[in-house]
Amino acid sequence: DSGVTQTPKHLITATGQRVTLRCSPRSGDLSVYWYQQSLDQGLQFLIQYYNGEERAKGNILERFSAQQFPDLHSELNLSSLELGDSALYFCASSVGQGPYYGYTFGSGTRLTVV
Amino acid sequence: GDSVTQMEGPVTLSEEAFLTINCTYTATGYPSLFWYVQYPGEGLQLLLKATKADDKGSNKGFEATYRKETTSFHLEKGSVQVSDSAVYFCALTGAGGTSYGKLTFGQGTILTVHP
Repeated sequence: DSGVTQTPKHLITATGQRVTLRCSPRSGDLSVYWYQQSLDQGLQFLIQYYNGEERAKGNILERFSAQQFPDLHSELNLSSLELGDSALYFCASSVGQGPYYGYTFGSGTRLTVV
Repeated sequence: GDSVTQMEGPVTLSEEAFLTINCTYTATGYPSLFWYVQYPGEGLQLLLKATKADDKGSNKGFEATYRKETTSFHLEKGSVQVSDSAVYFCALTGAGGTSYGKLTFGQGTILTVHP
């Protein structure tokens, strides 16, 4: 157990729907990062939050949004889902604002859009 | 922008063979470099890291040296085991600016070790 908890582990939904992925960071970590892993794109950085504030943004689609709550857990919202959004979504956390010492990753949420 | 290039896989070795997975990078300034490992059905685990030139990261028999002159961070292990079978990712984080906070990953190298 890495200490980073992601729920649900698996999600199957239809095109056009909206889903929410949840992440609880490791105890004491203030930064949360979201990544998408797909066969064609590899691991792509989506977004980072630090202590409730957005810190860095990557290749995140406008249909996707995220937030970090006061208790430091984070949610990634994916809307108007398309088949191409099927992927593994990872959350990671770190103590500081950057991954200087490396991230701790969760085990991921596998999203399948049918 | 920042980028990481790993040797093409998959790599198939016999147990106790020597392993090298090549990794080169493009980045401005002095990035920190990492190797992550992903076992089937799991998230990525940090294997080792190096934060400045000539640093050697090591863990579980794996080693990698930060070579700024060749912009490389090759992963090596002297004697692989079946349990090392996994996907290995080289990654970097930028020195600052818009790249700070973000890990840029290579495409991953699948390693399979046979008994």
